Amino acid sequence: RKEVEQDPGPFNVPEGATVAFNCTYSNSASQSFFWYRQDCRKEPKLLMSVYSSGNEDGRFTAQLNRASQYISLLIRDSKLSDSATYLCVVNVWNDYKLSFGAGTTVTVRA
Amino acid sequence: DAGITQSPRYKITETGRQVTLMCHQTWSHSYMFWYRQDLGHGLRLIYYSAAADITDKGEVPDGYVVSRSKTENFPLTLESATRSQTSVYFCASSARGAEASYEQYFGPGTRLTVT
Repeated sequence: RKEVEQDPGPFNVPEGATVAFNCTYSNSASQSFFWYRQDCRKEPKLLMSVYSSGNEDGRFTAQLNRASQYISLLIRDSKLSDSATYLCVVNVWNDYKLSFGAGTTVTVRA
Repeated sequence: DAGITQSPRYKITETGRQVTLMCHQTWSHSYMFWYRQDLGHGLRLIYYSAAADITDKGEVPDGYVVSRSKTENFPLTLESATRSQTSVYFCASSARGAEASYEQYFGPGTRLTVT
């Protein structure tokens, strides 16, 4: 079983729509969670960390559900520029290596 | 400028040749990583390093060699390139953050083609 699993999508949404997707992780000792964004095989870039209480960054909201071992990302009022692959990333407490999901592709159409 | 850089950005080489990909970071991060990314596989860890002179194998180390004589540099060498090593290679670095998180920061990547 993969450590981090994501629905690959693609999620095709119109501009202005809301899109949400999850990822699941297998290691219950996981402590830190992140969403990264990757454009067209450019380098992954940190989008946001995911905190236990959930957190927002503008139009992006991340949630963590430890009991069910998943994290989610919601994008409100989608822009064309949100089209990208979103990587779910997890690490076990004090382990400096990260586990990356394979990514969820989002395409926002005009 | 501060950050993490990779060179070359693009490389075409022939089967059997030795190739070295360079990675340099200016943050003095302790941890550095090499990944490869192929369609259908996501990011796969090749080698990683916790500090100068400390390196370890990742998920797919065969055919690669690394060294880390200085904190800021982490070169990756393909000893005898094969077509299966055609890929995009990303270097990343990290430091211990708040609450023992270790978010990584990536270089722009090297697109390697082995003919």
